[in-house]
Amino acid sequence: NAGVTQTPKFQVLKTGQSMTLQCAQDMNHEYMSWYRQDPGMGLRLIHYSVGAGITDQGEVPNGYNVSRSTTEDFPLRLLSAAPSQTSVYFCASSYGGTRQPQHFGDGTRLSIL
Amino acid sequence: DAKTTQPNSMESNEEEPVHLPCNHSTISGTDYIHWYRQLPSQGPEYVIHGLTSNVNNRMASLAIAEDRKSSTLILHRATLRDAAVYYCILRKTNAGKSTFGDGTTLTVKP
Repeated sequence: NAGVTQTPKFQVLKTGQSMTLQCAQDMNHEYMSWYRQDPGMGLRLIHYSVGAGITDQGEVPNGYNVSRSTTEDFPLRLLSAAPSQTSVYFCASSYGGTRQPQHFGDGTRLSIL
Repeated sequence: DAKTTQPNSMESNEEEPVHLPCNHSTISGTDYIHWYRQLPSQGPEYVIHGLTSNVNNRMASLAIAEDRKSSTLILHRATLRDAAVYYCILRKTNAGKSTFGDGTTLTVKP
């Protein structure tokens, strides 16, 4: 059982480049979320989805796009990378409902030069 | 959104109990209280959750105040492997949108 899989694990980009962080889960979870974590800080919600075709903004959505065409996948796109987006990105998934715990991936460490 | 407040850091001695507090004074009646922990260089992992009653599992216990405005995560015997950042969050009716604060960094001394 793979759980939540994030790729790549590490990435270095130049300012202005675009890229897509991949997130896949094999638990048939309805809910998926993207968080970023800056050094020494907690997690901040970027975007989230409560099902295929449904996405919404979190606390810090600017500079990021998401789509949810399948239940399994929830990619995060950086449109034009900026040094301020240097961070560790975590994807999480869960069943719907307030009781359900979130399962997190191992993260993508992204550096923007 | 309802916010939670936790101390920035706490220390404990190995094999002693640890009580990690969390305040959530604006909690709504249907919000579940969830706790996660994050070990160094890893993603957060689920620890425990509850609504009104105290809860126990193999990892920890969760004590919830009668008015639900605060809760306490209890590690009965801290080990060095329990050194982590502990997050208390509220899982709301719109459970797709869960926000984390900065958590409590627990240091366990041998």
